[in-house]
Amino acid sequence: KNEVEQSPQNLTAQEGEFITINCSYSVGISALHWLQQHPGGGIVSLFMLSSGKKKHGRLIATINIQEKHSSLHITASHPRDSAVYICAVPPGTGNQFYFGTGTSLTVIP
Amino acid sequence: EAGVAQSPRYKIIEKRQSVAFWCNPISGHATLYWYQQILGQGPKLLIQFQNNGVVDDSQLPKDRFSAERLKGVDSTLKIQPAKLEDSAVYLCASSLWTGNPIIQETQYFGPGTRLLVL
Repeated sequence: KNEVEQSPQNLTAQEGEFITINCSYSVGISALHWLQQHPGGGIVSLFMLSSGKKKHGRLIATINIQEKHSSLHITASHPRDSAVYICAVPPGTGNQFYFGTGTSLTVIP
Repeated sequence: EAGVAQSPRYKIIEKRQSVAFWCNPISGHATLYWYQQILGQGPKLLIQFQNNGVVDDSQLPKDRFSAERLKGVDSTLKIQPAKLEDSAVYLCASSLWTGNPIIQETQYFGPGTRLLVL
């Protein structure tokens, strides 16, 4: 069993739709990261959160530490949001990560 | 602020050949990571450096992979000899070191080197 599970693995949405990507983890953490990976391989860090909710533009990330669950929401989705979204958690100490396998999002105009 | 630089961006080699990747982290970042990302999977940590010392290389296939960060800045990752299953994107990332292992620092990723082994 993976330490980090993401769902769905693939997601296709119409432009303007509200999107939710889920992440569940089994290890104790101090923070959880949401990453965005565009075709070509580059990874951008979207959020690092340890409690509650964070918002940046049309992106919202929430975390429930007790339930070991986090969600990434995209409001009013746009084709440029098409990318792979990866959830990453550290195992408790140090700077290592366990990565989810990613959710491949395609937003159709 | 300049980001993490990697080269080359793409490399195609035949199996049993050798290949080397280079990474220049963000200035001042003491921690450097090399990840392997096979298509359809999340990144897998290969090795973590703290300055020029190795913190974790437990998932590095040491029979064929090696990495160094001699002066605590740039790093190279080498594969010798390459196998077909080494085809992947090799990502380099760096982060600040707070000195506190509990505090998580954001990792900044380079563009990656896409390796194809034929």
